[in-house]
Amino acid sequence: GDSVTQMEGPVTLSEEAFLTINCTYTATGYPSLFWYVQYPGEGLQLLLKATKADDKGSNKGFEATYRKETTSFHLEKGSVQVSDSAVYFCALSDHTEKLVFGKGTKLTVNP
Amino acid sequence: SQTIHQWPATLVQPVGSPLSLECTVEGTSNPNLYWYRQAAGRGLQLLFYSVGIGQISSEVPQNLSASRPQDRQFILSSKKLLLSDSGFYLCAWSVAASSYNEQFFGPGTRLTVL
Repeated sequence: GDSVTQMEGPVTLSEEAFLTINCTYTATGYPSLFWYVQYPGEGLQLLLKATKADDKGSNKGFEATYRKETTSFHLEKGSVQVSDSAVYFCALSDHTEKLVFGKGTKLTVNP
Repeated sequence: SQTIHQWPATLVQPVGSPLSLECTVEGTSNPNLYWYRQAAGRGLQLLFYSVGIGQISSEVPQNLSASRPQDRQFILSSKKLLLSDSGFYLCAWSVAASSYNEQFFGPGTRLTVL
């Protein structure tokens, strides 16, 4: 079946550092891909999405490109802030009613 | 715009007691609805989803059940809670028959079973 693998972390960075969180997937067909963010004690928020190969999703300085050749959707940000500290989830939709989530990556940004 | 509500926000219950968590969505019709559980330090586990009133699909057999008595209302229940039911319960919705199925999450309910 479909699956999502992401680096589990935790990841600890200093403010203004470059962030990469790796995400790879296994799916038949052409899934849609998502990154969600969960701040402490809150629900998940959709951060960005890409619905076809080579699409780049972007939001709040975060970017991810849908790479079909490497089945990847890595999350990047050029300069992280303390307020970016959260858990990040990669997910895919194979166009059924369900999403398949990765296990989440906890990011801590220190001042 | 659409909003999703969950209550209560936090709950502390003794082992063996019943449970009822409620989720409602506003601003949309005939959404798909979902219940997830997130144990401490763990990922998301899909418990139930529903594509319409009275239609419930169970992903994990356990002592929990779900019901959808109205189009935009989704309820998670248990007759007797176990210690292992502790966790963060998240409700989510998506547009029915969407090509992309992006889901939108509620604020969650923190359940502690003692």
